[in-house]
Amino acid sequence: GQQLNQSPQSMFIQEGEDVSMNCTSSSIFNTWLWYKQEPGEGPVLLIALYKAGELTSNGRLTAQFGITRKDSFLNISASIPSDVGIYFCAGQRAGGTSYGKLTFGQGTILTVHP
Amino acid sequence: NAGVTQTPKFRVLKTGQSMTLLCAQDMNHEYMYWYRQDPGMGLRLIHYSVGEGTTAKGEVPDGYNVSRLKKQNFLLGLESAAPSQTSVYFCASSYSSGGTEAFFGQGTRLTVV
Repeated sequence: GQQLNQSPQSMFIQEGEDVSMNCTSSSIFNTWLWYKQEPGEGPVLLIALYKAGELTSNGRLTAQFGITRKDSFLNISASIPSDVGIYFCAGQRAGGTSYGKLTFGQGTILTVHP
Repeated sequence: NAGVTQTPKFRVLKTGQSMTLLCAQDMNHEYMYWYRQDPGMGLRLIHYSVGEGTTAKGEVPDGYNVSRLKKQNFLLGLESAAPSQTSVYFCASSYSSGGTEAFFGQGTRLTVV
């Protein structure tokens, strides 16, 4: 079954507010990825994290790879209406029987009110 | 740049019918994946492949088969479609498992009646 727990499931915020979402796992991952999906489209990569403790920014987005390698979070600062979409975390292991497997969280639905 | 292309984009099947979804990538990627997306369930991995001629089961493989005869193509087959397989199917590919970006196709919306 699903190995990544993503929260919250949905968020309704006002334009200008900051957003925070996170992902936790019972397994250790070598890579954490954050994706955004817009209606009718496939997910698009926002940020990739490759080392425990790594903090990476992409414009108003900041993501961190947890020290335990079992969690990650994504922050969006000063939200705007075009931030609306579904945000997914994804984890990947580089070895073992799950070599190459890319697992996704359940997604966070973000709604931004102007 | 075509990237990842899925065909068809939409399909309606009757229960018991079979069909094959095709995924093609032109980026010379080693890894390819098939996911299904259902409301509230996120993206669940059906099968994946770490190279030409290899396949592996994901989280929800039952009722599906896959083949990776050519590096650029990853086929997902439904032998006997069931209403529970109504979903949006996404294919993705990535260069390797080293954490490189996975690129997604636009999805196939499948309805089984």
